[in-house]
Amino acid sequence: NAGVTQTPKFRILKIGQSMTLQCTQDMNHNYMYWYRQDPGMGLKLIYYSVGAGITDKGEVPNGYNVSRSTTEDFPLRLELAAPSQTSVYFCAGRDPSGNTIYFGEGSWLTVV
Amino acid sequence: DAKTTQPTSMDCAEGRAANLPCNHSTISGNEYVYWYRQIHSQGPQYIIHGLKNNETNEMASLIITEDRKSSTLILPHATLRDTAVYYCIVSIMDSNYQLIWGAGTKLIIKP
Repeated sequence: NAGVTQTPKFRILKIGQSMTLQCTQDMNHNYMYWYRQDPGMGLKLIYYSVGAGITDKGEVPNGYNVSRSTTEDFPLRLELAAPSQTSVYFCAGRDPSGNTIYFGEGSWLTVV
Repeated sequence: DAKTTQPTSMDCAEGRAANLPCNHSTISGNEYVYWYRQIHSQGPQYIIHGLKNNETNEMASLIITEDRKSSTLILPHATLRDTAVYYCIVSIMDSNYQLIWGAGTKLIIKP
């Protein structure tokens, strides 16, 4: 997946717990994205970043926060986990030419 | 909401060409057509994109109608490993590059 690495791959959270999904890339992507995908649905954009220090909301940002202190890292924070946040989360980076988005392998999150 | 319409599912015989249609009747003049696929809940994989002209790469061909209101992705010799969900997306190639994803087409390649 062209150098986009997500951790953890699987996680079970209790309602109200907090956690951070880590995403790092080694392809010098300026643009990075966090998506969530519910069963049988397409991806929905949570947050994105156009470079270090710059982030912005996507379609479904509520309940999440991000930071971009370096070009390589783009962590996604869940502060108070809710069952509605049970989903598969994908981090992605866009190549400098702008034509292609490369995705990580996904993080499966269950909130119980 | 997604600006594209795709069939929910399709079958294709192994070794034959798989033709996946996509309607995007409200496409704007500066919007590109992108195709991605997702194999069994892995991260989506870029296939091809185009603006007006037909495009071909090592994975597939993209045929865009002259009025740009529809397109077809062609996998010339489908294999079992091409079984996946295929997403057709229209988007402008700007600095935000936000892709709006629909539910895609589930393509099943049969032996």
